[in-house]
Order: sequence, then structure tokens, then C-alpha cells
Amino acid sequence: NAGVTQTPKFQVLKTGQSMTLQCAQDMNHEYMSWYRQDPGMGLRLIHYSVGAGITDQGEVPNGYNVSRSTTEDFPLRLLSAAPSQTSVYFCASSRAGGWPYNEQFFGPGTRLTVL
Amino acid sequence: SQKIEQNSEALNIQEGKTATLTCNYTNYSPAYLQWYRQDPGRGPVFLLLIRENEKEKRKERLKVTFDTTLKQSLFHITASQPADSATYLCALGDKIIFGKGTRLHILP
Repeated sequence: NAGVTQTPKFQVLKTGQSMTLQCAQDMNHEYMSWYRQDPGMGLRLIHYSVGAGITDQGEVPNGYNVSRSTTEDFPLRLLSAAPSQTSVYFCASSRAGGWPYNEQFFGPGTRLTVL
Repeated sequence: SQKIEQNSEALNIQEGKTATLTCNYTNYSPAYLQWYRQDPGRGPVFLLLIRENEKEKRKERLKVTFDTTLKQSLFHITASQPADSATYLCALGDKIIFGKGTRLHILP
């Protein structure tokens, strides 16, 4: 199993550009989530999904969109990038029931810089 | 709002000693608490989950305690090794909140 994969590993955007961060898992996990990690702020939940077709907001959802059309994929969209979105983004998945009952498996992260 | 505090100062421990990390929380009564390890440039890796009715949980050289009266969890690594050097995160909450993590350095 590849586990949780994220692409790209690194990305530089200009203010106002849009892009999609890709996340995929091959463990048939129902629960998937996106986090951002900033120095001194720790990991913060952006959006999460408890299954295909179901998404909900986390702590810091503004400026980000998500959709979940399949069990395997959970892309994160930045519609109009801002410098405040410069961060490291992690995708995670877990078995049905998700947080807090099950461990989360994290991807390797995407380092995004917005100029 | 729910809040987690972990010692943001780096913790330096001599190899072979026990390292003890602290996670304090306020404004919440979690039924579960999780600990993760994160190495530089990588995603967090799950270590242990403890439930409120489990005062203590062990896994190999790791031990976690959960004191709901003190609103505190302690994470212990016994017989510490340089390979244990990493940042350790605790997490709890309805929609998950992570602490900022404690950087642990095991000195050879």
C-alpha cells in the first residue's frame, strides 16, 4: 500500500492564482481531512470528510474548497491564493468513525508558497 | 474555546533516561486523547490513543497517562535513544485540535 499520497511536494503561486492540492489514499478509509501547519501555530484542521459526498468545515476553512466524489481522493482547492495561505499542507485519512476513535495516517505534505 | 498547551521549549534528555512530555488542556473534557510523532519535513505518525477511563496505556517503551481531574496527559519514553529525537504532538477535541508540539532531543 502507498498509504496517503500528496501532490505536488512543493508549489509556488502568485497572489490571486488558483490551484488544487491532490490527496489520495489506498486504504479504503472513509474519513479524510486537510490540515495546515504554520510555525508556532501547530496543525489546524481546514476541512474534513466522513465519506464520499460528505464534507464539513474545520477550524480554518476560509479560502479553501473541498469535494469528495470518491472514497480514494480528497482534493483541496485554493480559488484565489493569498500570502496568508503560505504553509505546509497535510492530508490525513482514517477508518470509518474517524477522529477521535481511530488513528490518522498522514501524507508527506505539500509546501506551498504564495508570493 | 478548547485549548491545548504543550511545553514549547525543546527538551534535552540524556540517552538512556526517561523523557516526560506534558500536554495540558482547558475548556474541554475529552473522551479520547492521541499522541503523534513528527520528524522534520514529514507528516505526523500516530503513536498512542488513550481513553478517559484508561488512566495509563503502554506500547513498548512508550507510556501515556490521562488525568481528567488535572486535565493533563503525560507521555513517557523510557530508555530513550537518539532515534527518539523528534517533535511530539498531542491531539484532542470534537473536531481535533493539535498542540504545538514539544521538540525532544536525546543526547548521546
